[in-house]
Amino acid sequence: EDQVTQSPEALRLQEGESSSLNCSYTVSGLRGLFWYRQDPGKGPEFLFTLYSAGEEKEKERLKATLTKKESFLHITAPKPEDSATYLCAVQAGSSNTGKLIFGQGTTLQVKP
Amino acid sequence: DAGVTQSPTHLIKTRGQQVTLRCSPKSGHDTVSWYQQALGQGPQFIFQYYEEEERQRGNFPDRFSGHQFPNYSSELNVNALLLGDSALYLCASSHLRNEQFFGPGTRLTVL
Repeated sequence: EDQVTQSPEALRLQEGESSSLNCSYTVSGLRGLFWYRQDPGKGPEFLFTLYSAGEEKEKERLKATLTKKESFLHITAPKPEDSATYLCAVQAGSSNTGKLIFGQGTTLQVKP
Repeated sequence: DAGVTQSPTHLIKTRGQQVTLRCSPKSGHDTVSWYQQALGQGPQFIFQYYEEEERQRGNFPDRFSGHQFPNYSSELNVNALLLGDSALYLCASSHLRNEQFFGPGTRLTVL
């Protein structure tokens, strides 16, 4: 069964304290792995798509990497405005519709 | 360019009632997917519409149904509401199987 597990569930950082969020997955043929940011009560905001092991994508203080079994979202020198829930989702290659299978998310709090 | 829009923003219903949620996709997108997100959980796939047909369905009962119109907009209908249907309902649009962009969601509360 296709599955996504994110860790930790919650993370508290001081402003400027870099860290990483983990997304482990089991899927029958990965077509794509997606990272989203979600603010409370709002819809997820698209951040990155990764397609193959070894691929990396960067956007401001965020960098996403992908291996054959997991993905990491590295946050460098975070600011309070980076506080949000970060969701990881996979798209199985066998799916003819590209439905997304999500993890439960990591809630990040960055304190000034 | 307007992104994905959803209406209404919030909705309160009682058990047994029926509800219709609406979604307009991002310009240039032809595929609409619906997700249910319970508090503290990741979104769960309900179904996806492309070319006005349901293409794939998640593990949701037949009380959940949908429709896609020729202009690619979509509706999600839920009949015989249960307390457990209270959640944030998210619509996502895409071009075929490419990146999905989400709307702001509709918060449904069932009393």
